[in-house]
Parts: sequence; C-alpha cells; structure tokens
Amino acid sequence: SQQGEEDPQALSIQEGENATMNCSYKTSINNLQWYRQNSGRGLVHLILIRSNEREKHSGRLRVTLDTSKKSSSLLITASRAADTASYFCATDDVSGGSYIPTFGRGTSLIVHP
Amino acid sequence: NAGVTQTPKFQVLKTGQSMTLQCAQDMNHEYMSWYRQDPGMGLRLIHYSVGAGITDQGEVPNGYNVSRSTTEDFPLRLLSAAPSQTSVYFCASSDRGEETQYFGPGTRLLVL
Repeated sequence: SQQGEEDPQALSIQEGENATMNCSYKTSINNLQWYRQNSGRGLVHLILIRSNEREKHSGRLRVTLDTSKKSSSLLITASRAADTASYFCATDDVSGGSYIPTFGRGTSLIVHP
Repeated sequence: NAGVTQTPKFQVLKTGQSMTLQCAQDMNHEYMSWYRQDPGMGLRLIHYSVGAGITDQGEVPNGYNVSRSTTEDFPLRLLSAAPSQTSVYFCASSDRGEETQYFGPGTRLLVL
C-alpha cells in the first residue's frame, strides 16, 4: 500500500503566490523526498530531508518534516508558470526492508500567469 | 551520460499478447525498479532489483516478470497483456547508499 499521501490533490494559484502542499505517511522513515513531474515526463528529484532534520531549503523550495505527526510540507515561494507540474512525496520504510521508496498519489499544481 | 532510457515510448497491444519493456541505465547504479502510473493512483512499485541476479516483488507484481542479468539492463515482461495493464510505465535507478531515484521518460502502454 502507498506510504505517503499528498494534500491537496489539486492546487491552482496565480503567479507570484506561494504554493504549499502536504504529505502524510504511516510508518517510521529514514528520509522523505519530494519529486516533480511535468506532464508526460518522468519524475525529477527536488529535495530530500532526513528524519533527524526539521527544515531544509533549496532555492525557492522549503521543506519541513514533523516526525511526531508523520507529516511533511513543501513550500514553493513566488510561484512561476513553469512550476506547473505534479509533486510527489516519497518515503522509505525502515521496517519493510525495501531499498526502494514508495510514492504518494501526488498534488497537481497549476500556476496561472 | 544518457541516464535512464526506456523503449518503446508508446505501444499498443491486443489482449493476450506478450511484450518486453526495455530499461537501461549508464550510471552503474545497483538499484533499479519499475513503477506503473495510473490516474489518481500515483506511482505503484511493480518489481525492483538491488543488483545483477537479484529481483524482488513490489506492490503490484502480478502479470509481470523481470530479470537482471546485467547492471545496466532491467527489462519488464508482460506475459499475457490485459486491459488492466493499460498504464504509463516508469523505470528508475539509484545508487547504493543514495536515496535519489533517477527516472526514465516512461512507456505508454495501451492494451485493447
């Protein structure tokens, strides 16, 4: 079953606004990753945050992790039309033994110019 | 580096036909995996491999076979295609000790 669940499923904003999407997961993790998928393309890695980190930044991206609530958020500041894509969180499972992360269903972000 | 490549880009099959989706990577990654992506379902893991000669099942393995004879290649075989296998298939690879997945461009499969 899928470990992470993103919220909201869809988000529509104007260029220049901030976009926030959330990810909740079920079991303990070593790390959580965020990926981006442009329409019709493969996923591209954005950022990784480890279980002992609370916040991480990369350019206009800010990721937070709250292991007590088993949740993470991805904030994209000053959104651009080019940020239009689907965003997925991916988590490993410390108990499952799999070396491969599992993905949520994603948040579809539309940024209107 | 070409990264992760997948062929074909698009394929139409009739129910009952078999085919192989090809995946290759030139980054010498040990881990490779196959996902399928369906509307509203996100990515679901089909099979994965942690090295040549080693494969294991993911969340949705039924109807698919894999093998890993070399580090570079990880083909996915559909034994007898069914309409429920209509989907977009993604191959991904990662290095041992590194969590980042590198994805191929995907194969769109339509089973009639």
